[in-house]
Amino acid sequence: AQSVTQLGSHVSVSEGALVLLRCNYSSSVPPYLFWYVQYPNQGLQLLLKYTTGATLVKGINGFEAEFKKSETSFHLTKPSAHMSDAAEYFCAVSPRTTSGTYKYIFGTGTRLKVLA
Amino acid sequence: DGGITQSPKYLFRKEGQNVTLSCEQNLNHDAMYWYRQDPGQGLRLIYYSQIVNDFQKGDIAEGYSVSREKKESFPLTVTSAQKNPTAFYLCASSPDRVSTDTQYFGPGTRLTVL
Repeated sequence: AQSVTQLGSHVSVSEGALVLLRCNYSSSVPPYLFWYVQYPNQGLQLLLKYTTGATLVKGINGFEAEFKKSETSFHLTKPSAHMSDAAEYFCAVSPRTTSGTYKYIFGTGTRLKVLA
Repeated sequence: DGGITQSPKYLFRKEGQNVTLSCEQNLNHDAMYWYRQDPGQGLRLIYYSQIVNDFQKGDIAEGYSVSREKKESFPLTVTSAQKNPTAFYLCASSPDRVSTDTQYFGPGTRLTVL
């Protein structure tokens, strides 16, 4: 069965430092890949997604992610953390299917803390 | 403004009560979803609907029921059969029934059992 793993339930970085949030999937056929952000007591907002084409995907708020098939990974990065980046981040996968029936599978989330 | 609204924001339920969470979207999206979020467990799919008058069970449907009588509305009822309903509930929608679709989320309803 398809699954997605986010390493590290909590990550702390200093303001201005590199942000790296890890996501690995398990499936023989690479799925479609998504990163969402959730601020406290709010819904989720799409940061970026990979469906096809260029493997380096740029999203909102300066985030980007690179799809690496050989590593079954889709890690999220941002060169310089800002205090406003403090939130919970979810990686999600959706299987490649033409059947018209699909669903997302979400990781357990990584809470990012940005230190002043 | 187009979007998804959920109400109420906070809901308190007594033991043995059924409660209904509202979800409305004006995005003209075909598909709608209900998720349950618990700390450290990510989001788990309760029910989803890809078209009016049709819906499917997700991974944790026991103790929940839904209806989809209108395209823009997808209410979730938490029944007394749900033994541990305290959680944050998120409704989402997507334009079409394809794997690449972005899901758009509402602001959530926090349900607490007293």
